[in-house]
Amino acid sequence: AQSVTQLGSHVSVSEGALVLLRCNYSSSVPPYLFWYVQYPNQGLQLLLKYTSAATLVKGINGFEAEFKKSETSFHLTKPSAHMSDAAEYFCAVSDRDSSNTGKLIFGQGTTLQVKP
Amino acid sequence: NAGVTQTPKFQVLKTGQSMTLQCAQDMNHNSMYWYRQDPGMGLRLIYYSASEGTTDKGEVPNGYNVSRLNKREFSLRLESAAPSQTSVYFCAASRAPGAQETQYFGPGTRLLVL
Repeated sequence: AQSVTQLGSHVSVSEGALVLLRCNYSSSVPPYLFWYVQYPNQGLQLLLKYTSAATLVKGINGFEAEFKKSETSFHLTKPSAHMSDAAEYFCAVSDRDSSNTGKLIFGQGTTLQVKP
Repeated sequence: NAGVTQTPKFQVLKTGQSMTLQCAQDMNHNSMYWYRQDPGMGLRLIYYSASEGTTDKGEVPNGYNVSRLNKREFSLRLESAAPSQTSVYFCAASRAPGAQETQYFGPGTRLLVL
């Protein structure tokens, strides 16, 4: 069965430093890939998604992610962290199956702390 | 344009009580979903509705039922609540059923079962 692994449940960076949040998927057929962000006491909001166009995907708030088939990875990066980036981040996958009506499999989440 | 709304925001139940979580969307989307979020486990799909008139089980459907009342509304019912159902529940909607569709989430309902 498809699974998603996010390495590191907590990541702490200084303001202005590089943000790197890791995500690996398990299937041999590359799925569709998503990153969502959840601010405290709110619902999830889409940051970006990969649907097999360019392998480098740009999202909102300066985030981007690169799909690497050889590494089965879709890591999320941002060159310079802001205090407002502090949130929980979820990687999710969706199988490329014509019968798949939108079932998302989520990773366990990574909490990003940004220190002043 | 409120997007996806959920009621109530917070609820406390005693074991064995029943309740219905409400979800509505004003985006004219066809597909709707119910997830639960537990610490360290991400979100898990409970039930989904690919289109009005259809519902299907997700990963963790036991103890829940759903009703797709119309295109706008998708409710989740706990017939006999258990402490294991203490969680945060999220409703989501997408334009169409499909693996690459973006899902839009509501603000969540926090449920505590004593």
